Amino acid sequence: DAGITQSPRHKVTETGTPVTLRCHQTENHRYMYWYRQDPGHGLRLIHYSYGVKDTDKGEVSDGYSVSRSKTEDFLLTLESATSSQTSVYFCAISGLAGGGGTDTQYFGPGTRLTVL
Amino acid sequence: KQEVTQIPAALSVPEGENLVLNCSFTDSAIYNLQWFRQDPGKGLTSLLLIQSSQREQTSGRLNASLDKSSGRSTLYIAASQPGDSATYLCGGVTGGSEKLVFGKGTKLTVNP
Repeated sequence: DAGITQSPRHKVTETGTPVTLRCHQTENHRYMYWYRQDPGHGLRLIHYSYGVKDTDKGEVSDGYSVSRSKTEDFLLTLESATSSQTSVYFCAISGLAGGGGTDTQYFGPGTRLTVL
Repeated sequence: KQEVTQIPAALSVPEGENLVLNCSFTDSAIYNLQWFRQDPGKGLTSLLLIQSSQREQTSGRLNASLDKSSGRSTLYIAASQPGDSATYLCGGVTGGSEKLVFGKGTKLTVNP
């Protein structure tokens, strides 16, 4: 266990409402990632961060924003949730002690989000 | 653009069998490749990371190989057990990128 928690673990919301998912790490990894996992598509990268206030887009970033104001926290926000954003969201970390993003990635337990 | 493929999507074997899971990638400029295990309703657990400069990595009953020239990685599981039943995913990082590109996984069932 690499000391990663995600909150909430389950959420049901309605179309058009804002949603924020939180990823918290206790391991001081430099890199943090948000993925979504969907049947038939596998795991896809949404956004990632390579340091405090340093973020970049992934493969499926439309409709999502992120923020990282502290090393340990990485927030994923759906500004106006849509049914197509119903998914399981995973946070991951890598780059212990200043290492790079090509190091081993460790995953959190996931958040199951349902948008009605 | 790196694409990663895992075939077959599902595999069922009897307990005790040695087996190989396959992972293919399109860009030979791969920097490293990771193998993960995912149990139902859980996150991914890292099993092995193999660098492009390595040919093999071993952990217990698991052995991963990487052949850049053929665009292929394999995960060998020796003496399979029912507890090995899970979905196995591979993900590759291409040189110049820091992003893992995943295959869709192989669901393994080991029957007692």
